[in-house]
Amino acid sequence: DSGVTQTPKHLITATGQRVTLRCSPRSGDLSVYWYQQSLDQGLQFLIQYYNGEERAKGNILERFSAQQFPDLHSELNLSSLELGDSALYFCASSPGLAGGKGTDTQYFGPGTRLTVL
Amino acid sequence: GQNIDQPTEMTATEGAIVQINCTYQTSGFNGLFWYQQHAGEAPTFLSYNVLDGLEEKGRFSSFLSRSKGYSYLLLKELQMKDSASYLCAVMSNDYKLSFGAGTTVTVRA
Repeated sequence: DSGVTQTPKHLITATGQRVTLRCSPRSGDLSVYWYQQSLDQGLQFLIQYYNGEERAKGNILERFSAQQFPDLHSELNLSSLELGDSALYFCASSPGLAGGKGTDTQYFGPGTRLTVL
Repeated sequence: GQNIDQPTEMTATEGAIVQINCTYQTSGFNGLFWYQQHAGEAPTFLSYNVLDGLEEKGRFSSFLSRSKGYSYLLLKELQMKDSASYLCAVMSNDYKLSFGAGTTVTVRA
């Protein structure tokens, strides 16, 4: 158990809908990262937040957005869902060395499996 | 951008040694991570190398050569529970982590 929690574990929804995935980082960690893992794409970095502010952006679609709240939990919002958005979505956290731009190890949560029908 | 290559699959016998290679091309380098991922579960951290050489941690060791853009993960005394996917990940200058597609290791009795 990494100490990172994610809810829900599973989510089944229809195309065109909007969902929110939630992540609570390990106690004391300031950085939160979101990743998407699909069978054909592997693990892809989406976005990083550090202490409430966006720190780095990866291959995140415009239909997706995220935020980190004052209590450091984070939410990933996925809208206008398409079949291709079906994937495992992982949240990871790290202490946030060097203001979130360090090489600290990321610890992954159990993931949310999203199925879009 | 990043280009990270690792073999797709490897099979080995219980008690044996397996070496998983990873080659990378990256714009800037801030270290290389290895993660283990069992099917449907979260990746778990195994090792981090930023300087050349071998880092040993129990049954697992990781090697890095920055000049060659090359790393390997060595798994010794293989156990059935080591059957998993092993992900090589490179941290670039902008501190983003890019993952390889993973190597699925199957341990046979």
